[in-house]
Amino acid sequence: ETGVTQTPRHLVMGMTNKKSLKCEQHLGHNAMYWYKQSAKKPLELMFVYSLEERVENNSVPSRFSPECPNSSHLFLHLHTLQPEDSALYLCASSQDIQGRTEAFFGQGTRLTVV
Amino acid sequence: ILNVEQSPQSLHVQEGDSTNFTCSFPSSNFYALHWYRWETAKSPEALFVMTLNGDEKKKGRISATLNTKEGYSYLYIKGSQPEDSATYLCAFIAGTYKYIFGTGTRLKVLA
Repeated sequence: ETGVTQTPRHLVMGMTNKKSLKCEQHLGHNAMYWYKQSAKKPLELMFVYSLEERVENNSVPSRFSPECPNSSHLFLHLHTLQPEDSALYLCASSQDIQGRTEAFFGQGTRLTVV
Repeated sequence: ILNVEQSPQSLHVQEGDSTNFTCSFPSSNFYALHWYRWETAKSPEALFVMTLNGDEKKKGRISATLNTKEGYSYLYIKGSQPEDSATYLCAFIAGTYKYIFGTGTRLKVLA
C-alpha cells in the first residue's frame, strides 16, 4: 500500500465514450501528477498539479482533461480517445515539485481504447 | 531534447550474484536523480533520491552512486535474491516539472 489509490484498475472504452480516471492520496502531499506509459516507452509526464493548480501540461492533446478539486484528489477525464491512447496511466504524488523528494505512485489504470 | 538512458535493458542473474545497472543523463540542468523499483502488477516504489554530486546511498543490499559532472548513476545489488526481480527505473529531474524517466532495466533473479 503506497498511499496512492487509483480507480479503476482496468478500463475498456470505445472511441466515442467519455470516462474518468480517479486518483486519491492521503499522504498530505502538495503535488500530484499524471503519467502515461505506452508499450516499450519510458514513463511520460502528462500533467502536474501543485496546490490544486495545474502547473504543467506537456503538450497533451485536449481529449485528456485533468481536474484537481482538492489536494487529495486528481481526475483524468477522457473523451473521444484514439486506439493509440491505450496505455497504462499512473498517478503519483510528492511533497514538492522540485524533485527533491520521492514520488509515491498508484498501481495505475490499464486503458484499452477500442 | 533531454534523454535518459539505462543499461542494460534486461538482465538475468543467479541468486547470490551481485549486479549493477547504469543510468546516463545530461550533465547540465541537474536538480535530482531518482531510482525506483517496479514489480509486476505493483506500483513503482522509490529507492533513492540523490541530489549531490558524489552522493552514495544505501538501503539494505541495494546502493547507488551519483556523478553529476559526467552524467551517470550506478545502482548496485549485492547478493541478489528472487524477490529483487523487478524493473529498476531512474528519473532525471532537470528542473521544476521536468521529470524524465529512462526505459528501465528489467532484472530477473534465478533461484
